[in-house]
Amino acid sequence: QLQLQESGPGLVKPSETLSLTCTVSGGSISNSTYYWAWIRQPPGKGLEWIGSVYYSGTTYYNPSPRSRVTISIDTSKNQFSLKLTSVTAADTAVYYCARRNIVVFGFDMWGQGTMVSVSS
Amino acid sequence: EIVMTQSPATLSVSPGERATLSCRASQTISSKLAWYQQKPGQAPRLLIYGASTRATGIPVRFSGSGSGTEFTLTISSLQSEDFAVYYCQQYNNWYTFGQGTKLEIK
Repeated sequence: QLQLQESGPGLVKPSETLSLTCTVSGGSISNSTYYWAWIRQPPGKGLEWIGSVYYSGTTYYNPSPRSRVTISIDTSKNQFSLKLTSVTAADTAVYYCARRNIVVFGFDMWGQGTMVSVSS
Repeated sequence: EIVMTQSPATLSVSPGERATLSCRASQTISSKLAWYQQKPGQAPRLLIYGASTRATGIPVRFSGSGSGTEFTLTISSLQSEDFAVYYCQQYNNWYTFGQGTKLEIK
């Protein structure tokens, strides 16, 4: 049974960098059927796709906040990561990692999510 | 950016009745639409993709329809576990989600 698990600090100071890692277990992150994504949800609000990465390292980003985002993948560790620089209170959200199935075309597996607050 | 607009924001329906949720895209997206269900404190769950295809393990009471810019999610006979927030999401041009419809017990 495939599982995704987010990890990282729950509190980040304004102007600093938010760093999260998603560990994939029960399956290979190098499976060519899938892309791996970060999606966030501010408290009480809707969902926002941040970006995606393929096992080859190819990345795709939401135009906003494109300039502040870096997503990378480490196939040897079965992990992918998110870095978001120069954070503000507007970046406070639950951050989910998810799997995008290229056959199904939806995000068909999700981590449980991790709450990240931006505050001094 | 393709903007997805869901209506209504809140829908009150009694158990056993039918619920109809709507989603509109700001430009045509063919059938490149998915629906998700999210319960409090949980991650979203994929229900429908391709506007009308149920994801693995999704009960037949969930059905999707539409193409172009207008889409509908129908739950034919509401069960207690169906009361949740529902999101539509387009994947024609990157990915954007609607703001959600909260389905509550009447």
